[in-house]
Amino acid sequence: AQSVAQPEDQVNVAEGNPLTVKCTYSVSGNPYLFWYVQYPNRGLQFLLKYITGDNLVKGSYGFEAEFNKSQTSFHLKKPSALVSDSALYFCAVRDPATSGTYKYIFGTGTRLKVLA
Amino acid sequence: EAGVVQSPRYKIIEKKQPVAFWCNPISGHNTLYWYLQNLGQGPELLIRYENEEAVDDSQLPKDRFSAERLKGVDSTLKIQPAELGDSAVYLCASSSFEDEQFFGPGTRLTVL
Repeated sequence: AQSVAQPEDQVNVAEGNPLTVKCTYSVSGNPYLFWYVQYPNRGLQFLLKYITGDNLVKGSYGFEAEFNKSQTSFHLKKPSALVSDSALYFCAVRDPATSGTYKYIFGTGTRLKVLA
Repeated sequence: EAGVVQSPRYKIIEKKQPVAFWCNPISGHNTLYWYLQNLGQGPELLIRYENEEAVDDSQLPKDRFSAERLKGVDSTLKIQPAELGDSAVYLCASSSFEDEQFFGPGTRLTVL
């Protein structure tokens, strides 16, 4: 069955330090992978996606993610964290089925706290 | 370009009352999603539309929830009757096929 896991409920990092938010997945076939961010009282905002091609994907606000097929992971990274990056981050996976039959699942979220 | 619009933003009702949420997706997006999000949790899909067809409603509690997407544009999600456990944020999102989803701000429902 298709699933996505975010093993850390919360990640704390000092401002200026690199950050990593982890995501692992399970899906049949080649997955479509996404990261979203949610600020308080707001809807989710798209950060980046991997569908095919280069394993390192660059997205909004300086974030990037690395697709690792052998480890079935899609970790979110940023070289230098900002206090304003503090938010709730969601990983999502979509199986590659054709329209009408695909499943789209979100992880449980990881709260990122960047400390000044 | 306007984003996904949802109304109302907040709704407080007594249990057993009906409630409806409205969503206007981004123009041209054929896929529309309704999600339920509990505090600190990830969105859980309730129903997905491809144009006006509901292609995935397996997680929609059909005894009390209903949805429609007339003409393949706007959509309405209804709960009747509401229960205490329905208190949550209801998110609407839209996308073009294979692309990322664009989310509205959500409707925060409180059932007393």
